Amino acid sequence: DAGITQSPRHKVTETGTPVTLRCHQTENHRYMYWYRQDPGHGLRLIHYSYGVKDTDKGEVSDGYSVSRSKTEDFLLTLESATSSQTSVYFCAISSGSGTEAFFGQGTRLTVV
Amino acid sequence: DAKTTQPPSMDCAEGRAANLPCNHSTISGNEYVYWYRQIHSQGPQYIIHGLKNNETNEMASLIITEDRKSSTLILPHATLRDTAVYYCIVRLNTGGFKTIFGAGTRLFVKA
Repeated sequence: DAGITQSPRHKVTETGTPVTLRCHQTENHRYMYWYRQDPGHGLRLIHYSYGVKDTDKGEVSDGYSVSRSKTEDFLLTLESATSSQTSVYFCAISSGSGTEAFFGQGTRLTVV
Repeated sequence: DAKTTQPPSMDCAEGRAANLPCNHSTISGNEYVYWYRQIHSQGPQYIIHGLKNNETNEMASLIITEDRKSSTLILPHATLRDTAVYYCIVRLNTGGFKTIFGAGTRLFVKA
């Protein structure tokens, strides 16, 4: 899977607790992305990064923050998890312009 | 990025060619057509992409009409393992992959 590891793969957490998901890549790609996938909505972009410490919002960024302190790691944080954030989260990477993106295997997050 | 339209589902017999259509009538001249697929709950998998010319790789062929308003992904000899949701995406090849995935086409390959 193009050297992408997401952790954890599954998590159940309680409403109001903070949660951090990690995406680690071994491809040295410049761009990293976090998507969420929900029934009836396809994949929607949450945040993305175009370099170390360079991030920007996607279409569904409310309630999420990200950080990228190293090329290989992109963290997604839910500051105070809500039930509406129950979803499958996918990390993706791409080397830059004109290239395809490669996706991780996903993290299934359940907020109870 | 231009909007795409795909049929919600299709069936194909194992061993036969699967032809998945995609309409992208508002595509601009510098937008590419990408195809991905998602098997069960795995991460989306890149298949192929193209701009104007037809493209072929080990997985599939991509046929783009001359006016570029539609395209067809062809899986030449579908197998049961090709059962998946197939996404057609139209995007610029700049600024990374900030792309919206639609609902795609659910392809069922039957024995």
